[in-house]
Amino acid sequence: NAGVTQTPKFQVLKTGQSMTLQCAQDMNHEYMSWYRQDPGMGLRLIHYSVGAGITDQGEVPNGYNVSRSTTEDFPLRLLSAAPSQTSVYFCASSSPGSPYEQYFGPGTRLTVT
Amino acid sequence: KQEVTQIPAALSVPEGENLVLNCSFTDSAIYNLQWFRQDPGKGLTSLLLIQSSQREQTSGRLNASLDKSSGRSTLYIAASQPGDSATYLCAVKNAGNMLTFGGGTRLMVKP
Repeated sequence: NAGVTQTPKFQVLKTGQSMTLQCAQDMNHEYMSWYRQDPGMGLRLIHYSVGAGITDQGEVPNGYNVSRSTTEDFPLRLLSAAPSQTSVYFCASSSPGSPYEQYFGPGTRLTVT
Repeated sequence: KQEVTQIPAALSVPEGENLVLNCSFTDSAIYNLQWFRQDPGKGLTSLLLIQSSQREQTSGRLNASLDKSSGRSTLYIAASQPGDSATYLCAVKNAGNMLTFGGGTRLMVKP
């Protein structure tokens, strides 16, 4: 049981490039989320999904796209990277029922130059 | 909008001390409150989760309490050790799938 896995661990992009951050979980959780963590801003929700085929925006969705074709995977796409997207990105998952405990992946550290 | 505050932002204590980390939130209509530990450059590890109907949870040397009516939670660490050095984050879940995080308390336990 690997829990929540994320790839890559580190990535450097140039402004305007695109990339996909991968997230997978093997706990059969229906809920999955993406957060970004920035100094002085804490963790903020980007997008989330309550099941395959269903996604919704969080607090800071601009510049990011998501899709959920399977229960296990929830990729985050940056279509045209900007320096403001330099951050550490965390994926999380939880089951839909109480107690709604969230499990986090190890994170992807992204730098946009 | 839910706001979560953690005090102090940083704390340095000698090994062996008992210590209390504080978390306050503005909207008491929460489903649960979760305490996490984050080591430098690493992900978040869940320490304790308190459901809205509970008053406290314990795991080893850790005890977390919840007072929904006053919008407060505390994380008590007994007999602190250098290995406890990390950033501790609290997060609350309201309706919906969003966790609202506090800014964290950076703990240093000196040998």
